[in-house]
Amino acid sequence: GNSVTQMEGPVTLSEEAFLTINCTYTATGYPSLFWYVQYPGEGLQLLLKATKADDKGSNKGFEATYRKETTSFHLEKGSVQVSDSAVYFCALEETSGSRLTFGEGTQLTVNP
Amino acid sequence: NAGVTQTPKFQVLKTGQSMTLQCAQDMNHNSMYWYRQDPGMGLRLIYYSASEGTTDKGEVPNGYNVSRLNKREFSLRLESAAPSQTSVYFCASSDLRYMNTGELFFGEGSRLTVL
Repeated sequence: GNSVTQMEGPVTLSEEAFLTINCTYTATGYPSLFWYVQYPGEGLQLLLKATKADDKGSNKGFEATYRKETTSFHLEKGSVQVSDSAVYFCALEETSGSRLTFGEGTQLTVNP
Repeated sequence: NAGVTQTPKFQVLKTGQSMTLQCAQDMNHNSMYWYRQDPGMGLRLIYYSASEGTTDKGEVPNGYNVSRLNKREFSLRLESAAPSQTSVYFCASSDLRYMNTGELFFGEGSRLTVL
């Protein structure tokens, strides 16, 4: 079946540091890939997406590139802020429908 | 601008008690979902309803039942709660028009503790 694996957390960075959160996936066919973010006390919200190989999703300074050859969708940001502290989830969508499979989530804490 | 509303936000149960988590969305979405979130395991799909009148099992359906009452509402019932069902539960919805874009809209979550 489909699966998503994220780098182990938690991740703690200083403000303005570079962020990478690794995500790899296993899927049949050609899934769409997503990053969701969960701020404290809130539900998840879509951060960015990529629907085909070599697509780059971007939003709020975050970027991720769909790499089919390495089955990866790593999340990056050049300079993190305290307000980026949250849990980040990588997810994939089956090509046959609208169900999402989520990774285990990575807790990010950014210190001033 | 309510979006997806879940009730209750917090609940403590004793083993064997029953309860229902309520979810309503005001975005006219066709599809609705119930997920549970556990530390180190991410979100796992319990049940979903692709459209009004249909429900299907997800990854972890055992111990739960659901009802798609109408297009707006999708409830999750625990008939006989067990400590293993201690978790944070999220309801979500999506519009079939956006199928294959992956955008789910989530509620704020319901934290359930079973003693």
